[in-house]
Amino acid sequence: NAGVTQTPKFRILKIGQSMTLQCTQDMNHNYMYWYRQDPGMGLKLIYYSVGAGITDKGEVPNGYNVSRSTTEDFPLRLELAAPSQTSVYFCASSYSSSPGNTIYFGEGSWLTVV
Amino acid sequence: QKEVEQDPGPLSVPEGAIVSLNCTYSNSAFQYFMWYRQYSRKGPELLMYTYSSGNKEDGRFTAQVDKSSKYISLFIRDSQPSDSATYLCAMKGGENNRLAFGKGNQVVVIP
Repeated sequence: NAGVTQTPKFRILKIGQSMTLQCTQDMNHNYMYWYRQDPGMGLKLIYYSVGAGITDKGEVPNGYNVSRSTTEDFPLRLELAAPSQTSVYFCASSYSSSPGNTIYFGEGSWLTVV
Repeated sequence: QKEVEQDPGPLSVPEGAIVSLNCTYSNSAFQYFMWYRQYSRKGPELLMYTYSSGNKEDGRFTAQVDKSSKYISLFIRDSQPSDSATYLCAMKGGENNRLAFGKGNQVVVIP
């Protein structure tokens, strides 16, 4: 089972460039999330989606955009990359928001903005 | 005061020792408490989930929640080198209903 798949695994961006982190899940989960994890810090929620066509901001949405045109895919767009966006990005999914529902994480995308 | 506090460590223990990890929190609305394990260069995976106060045991792992003290713990008995990872506490509850994560605690089990 593939689970949650993220691409690319590593990327170096120049300041001001844009890019999209791709995320797809094959578990037919309604909920999908994007988190960022900075060194020595916990995971911070960037955006989440409760289903196709529905997205909402998390704790740290500035500088990012998302879309959810299908149940499977939840791409994260970085516009005008800044050094502060250097981080590890994790896409995740779950069947529902119930705490008992396991959140499955992808393996992460390491992004460096120089 | 931060919503969730977790000492990042690192914590080094010899194989077979008991590992003790803990988090404190400030939001009394939290009712659901989780521990995630994250291996190097991997995504977190759910290890334990507890609702409200009490203990939960799963093999070598025990999770404890003390809501009166706003304190949660994870114990790993008979630790193995394969337990070497970062352990993140997470909690949820209240109006926001989002997961709040601790910083993570790096554990190294030395053979």
